[in-house]
Amino acid sequence: GAGVSQSPSNKVTEKGKDVELRCDPISGHTALYWYRQSLGQGLEFLIYFQGNSAPDKSGLPSDRFSAERTGGSVSTLTIQRTQQEDSAVYLCASSLSHRAYEQYFGPGTRLTVT
Amino acid sequence: RKEVEQDPGPFNVPEGATVAFNCTYSNSASQSFFWYRQDCRKEPKLLMSVYSSGNEDGRFTAQLNRASQYISLLIRDSKLSDSATYLCVVNNAGNMLTFGGGTRLMVKP
Repeated sequence: GAGVSQSPSNKVTEKGKDVELRCDPISGHTALYWYRQSLGQGLEFLIYFQGNSAPDKSGLPSDRFSAERTGGSVSTLTIQRTQQEDSAVYLCASSLSHRAYEQYFGPGTRLTVT
Repeated sequence: RKEVEQDPGPFNVPEGATVAFNCTYSNSASQSFFWYRQDCRKEPKLLMSVYSSGNEDGRFTAQLNRASQYISLLIRDSKLSDSATYLCVVNNAGNMLTFGGGTRLMVKP
């Protein structure tokens, strides 16, 4: 079946612009996660959705970052007034609620802020 | 101190070698443990779970030592295709996973 998809695959933007990243999880997966990975670094947790609600937003690095999920499916991560330090690969993952340890990742969106 | 710590490597080993990676975690209340694998410029994928009794999957063996808060992954008879970054992952509660920085393995012919 189809895996997790993300779009765009690559995004180059100018400092100060807003960007929107999209994640389409595996059908039937109620849990959805956003991470970011900087070059040569580990995964940094950003936010987690169970259905359409986000019980844990603790990883969002600043108020410029926000995310939403509608219909228990597609999620968007929005970064306002992008900064150069936002450059990273943004990874989305989904899982069944009772198998949260088995997260299926999308290919990521590589964001470059110039 | 990071919650999950790994030696970043790289570990350079010849084909056929046995190699072991270690990982330590700081939260004694951590509940479950996993190894993920990430190929270069690809997404992470679950490799195996780690149990106190040890867990073996073919050439791969994972061990957990709760007293020392230490997790290991042993790869026997290394293949070129084992070259990747291995991520140690800890679940503290609920759906949250905490990833280590990864250990890079390069298997040479």
